[in-house]
Amino acid sequence: QSVLTQPPSVSGAPGQRVTISCTGSSSNIGATYDVHWYQQLPGTAPRLLIFDNNNRPSGVPDRFFGSKSGTSASLAITGLQAEDEADYYCQSYDSSLSGSVFGGGTKLTVL
Amino acid sequence: QSQLQESGPGLVKPSETLSLACSVSDGSITSNSYYWAWIRQPPGKGLEYIGSMYYSGSTYYNPSLKSRVTISVDTSKRQFSLRLSSVTAADTAVYYCARLYSYGYPRYFDYWGQGTLVTVSS
Repeated sequence: QSVLTQPPSVSGAPGQRVTISCTGSSSNIGATYDVHWYQQLPGTAPRLLIFDNNNRPSGVPDRFFGSKSGTSASLAITGLQAEDEADYYCQSYDSSLSGSVFGGGTKLTVL
Repeated sequence: QSQLQESGPGLVKPSETLSLACSVSDGSITSNSYYWAWIRQPPGKGLEYIGSMYYSGSTYYNPSLKSRVTISVDTSKRQFSLRLSSVTAADTAVYYCARLYSYGYPRYFDYWGQGTLVTVSS
């Protein structure tokens, strides 16, 4: 069982908007530690998608948007494209474990 | 732009020790801004953080693996390593090395290796 909770799957049609939630607790997201998101395309290594809640590394389209509130965070993807079909993971720091923790991952299917 | 590359055996026998190395392309391995981390992913499953090491020598190990894990850094070779002892089939996974950016506390994994599949089988 992961420290951060994500829905196992989400789906959407091309052009639509989808959101992926990431729920934590008072020892991680709720303790004001930042949330980061990774995209893992099939058969490849994860890549950093969003860092520090809502910042995009160079090269990440502005269709990807991160937010955080309380003990939860969300990743929103607008203008869904077939190439967005991937697994998405949230990650934060947990003070009770004194280390980084991942969510269980969410599989995005583009219909 | 940092590049990371894992190396090591793809097959390990049960009860033996898994050993992997990660080569770092640039001098950031001596920077105080980064930890050097290992993450694994069993087939069809999610990411599991194994642990990391700071250039100063301080380490973090996942409590569920702590008794079997050792991570070390060799700055002269621009490499860091993972040793996981007493492996079982449950340790079969793709193993990734990654750079963990730190500011105030360890934050995010900004660069990853391509991953290497390690199978535990006799």
